[in-house]
Amino acid sequence: EPEVTQTPSHQVTQMGQEVILRCVPISNHLYFYWYRQILGQKVEFLVSFYNNEISEKSEIFDDQFSVERPDGSNFTLKIRSTKLEDSAMYFCASGLRQGNGYTFGSGTRLTVV
Amino acid sequence: RKEVEQDPGPFNVPEGATVAFNCTYSNSASQSFFWYRQDCRKEPKLLMSVYSSGNEDGRFTAQLNRASQYISLLIRDSKLSDSATYLCVVSHYNTDKLIFGTGTRLQVFP
Repeated sequence: EPEVTQTPSHQVTQMGQEVILRCVPISNHLYFYWYRQILGQKVEFLVSFYNNEISEKSEIFDDQFSVERPDGSNFTLKIRSTKLEDSAMYFCASGLRQGNGYTFGSGTRLTVV
Repeated sequence: RKEVEQDPGPFNVPEGATVAFNCTYSNSASQSFFWYRQDCRKEPKLLMSVYSSGNEDGRFTAQLNRASQYISLLIRDSKLSDSATYLCVVSHYNTDKLIFGTGTRLQVFP
């Protein structure tokens, strides 16, 4: 079964540092997403990406965040200057069509110290 | 008020039992509905979409009541492997952002 692959599985970073979280979506999927889940809380939408541009973003996705699809296969989330409250599990997801439910990757656990 | 509300549980049931979860949503613009399953510290996995006419997939039955704005999931003949958190998820018309509930935890015991 096709998978969404995320690397690394766990990243520890110092406050103020930049991090890049990487994702390889399912190859024929057209819609790409980042979500996050703070420990013990619900899954929250960050951003959706289609046709090489952001289609929607949440209030959480401020100027510290950016996304990129640099080479047609990878999809990255960059956090420019991490804060303690950015510590969470970050999930990448991809989908073939809008509104059909998506496949999530296994996540990157980001710990900011 | 939360947009998607679920009873957090836990629901502790014996193997073989039937268990039902309910979920309410507050925004009438909600268009698509799903149940996801999440194991501890793992990613959400799509269990089933929920259609207005109701739908079944093996031991799982999902129902949607648009008038009352609630969604249900019924699990028959519970297995130990059904132990997980069940997430009620909606999305609105003309957007593909998924809005998650906080989940209902199910523990099936032998």
